[in-house]
Amino acid sequence: TQLLEQSPQFLSIQEGENLTVYCNSSSVFSSLQWYRQEPGEGPVLLVTVVTGGEVKKLKRLTFQFGDARKDSSLHITAAQTGDTGLYLCAGVVPQGGSEKLVFGKGTKLTVNP
Amino acid sequence: DTEVTQTPKHLVMGMTNKKSLKCEQHMGHRAMYWYKQKAKKPPELMFVYSYEKLSINESVPSRFSPECPNSSLLNLHLHALQPEDSALYLCASSQEEWAEISLGNTEAFFGQGTRLTVV
Repeated sequence: TQLLEQSPQFLSIQEGENLTVYCNSSSVFSSLQWYRQEPGEGPVLLVTVVTGGEVKKLKRLTFQFGDARKDSSLHITAAQTGDTGLYLCAGVVPQGGSEKLVFGKGTKLTVNP
Repeated sequence: DTEVTQTPKHLVMGMTNKKSLKCEQHMGHRAMYWYKQKAKKPPELMFVYSYEKLSINESVPSRFSPECPNSSLLNLHLHALQPEDSALYLCASSQEEWAEISLGNTEAFFGQGTRLTVV
């Protein structure tokens, strides 16, 4: 079972449109991170959300952490072709007395000119 | 300097070869990680080093052998790999290990990855 469920898996839109990507879990997280990854490159951290209900803005990107700290969303306003990429959410989960950073399956976004 | 540098960027190796992947960071981070990412999949954790000691091995086959010679360097030695081991191998580092990431007190920085092809 995937601990972090992302939706949609694939999204293809026209430049200028708005979109929202979701990251959901049945578990509570102390924080969630959002990354953007381009083909053949490593993930680049966009934001970390920590407080339930928190909203963070990064230019045209708005990130929200659910009140219960189980889910998060990423909203992009007026998408540009440069926003194309794989968007991953990640959270730290306990495992066998330790912890590890796990990723959702990602949302592959394509913004067409 | 917030870079994690991985070399080589691309590697093609035969199933009988021995090769090494290298990762370097100069941010003073005490935790370093190896992840493996197959096409269209998220990164999957392989190993974690904390203060130069191996703290997590995610049941990775012994044909992958990590090494942390000092706090800035992390190597992944490869021997007798299989074609299904072909993937993007990502190195990451953070100031401290998971607890601090969990609290939002630190960030994990990823390198650009090594695209490995086993033939």
